[in-house]
Amino acid sequence: EAQVTQNPRYLITVTGKKLTVTCSQNMNHEYMSWYRQDPGLGLRQIYYSMNVEVTDKGDVPEGYKVSRKEKRNFPLILESPSPNQTSLYFCASRRPDNEQFFGPGTRLTVL
Amino acid sequence: GENVEQHPSTLSVQEGDSAVIKCTYSDSASNYFPWYKQELGKGPQLIIDIRSNVGEKKDQRIAVTLNKTAKHFSLHITETQPEDSAVYFCAASGGPTGAGGGNKLTFGTGTQLKVEL
Repeated sequence: EAQVTQNPRYLITVTGKKLTVTCSQNMNHEYMSWYRQDPGLGLRQIYYSMNVEVTDKGDVPEGYKVSRKEKRNFPLILESPSPNQTSLYFCASRRPDNEQFFGPGTRLTVL
Repeated sequence: GENVEQHPSTLSVQEGDSAVIKCTYSDSASNYFPWYKQELGKGPQLIIDIRSNVGEKKDQRIAVTLNKTAKHFSLHITETQPEDSAVYFCAASGGPTGAGGGNKLTFGTGTQLKVEL
């Protein structure tokens, strides 16, 4: 089944404790991205990757890092999480015709 | 960059009635306009999309219209059912040379649709 998977689905952590949210897709898509969803703000792009080893900032990249060492994986790294990064995070991958597929989401709480 | 506005933010309809959600966009180079449905606890799922060379597209009870001159597009759901209750997002994709590596999707802020029995 074609899908985007994310782990963990839920995470509660404390300020400053580094964390990684994994993302994997099995559709061989070149383009992947991370979004955060906050009430009243919709989905905002954090980082995107056009292919292996090619990543760039989206609209809200501060406090986040990403890497793309393999085509299927695109982890999101928070090196020193802060409470304002409490949010719902979605990974997505995109076909060449622009159709985008989202993962199930990771709900992160930073205390 | 692209800016997408979506209205209304909440919409309540009676079962069987129609629901309409409207979006406007700012970048005239945008050429792809998808609509996503997000159910509670899940990621957004594509329900219908339209490209700039088409004015209207229909899929059973849902339809999307696009007015490129006015830069707005709308989602129409007919004969609404309780399972249509969800958050709906519109989005617009910029041109191939635009921000976000080209063809970046910019989302509206979402519409919470509630279909009441």
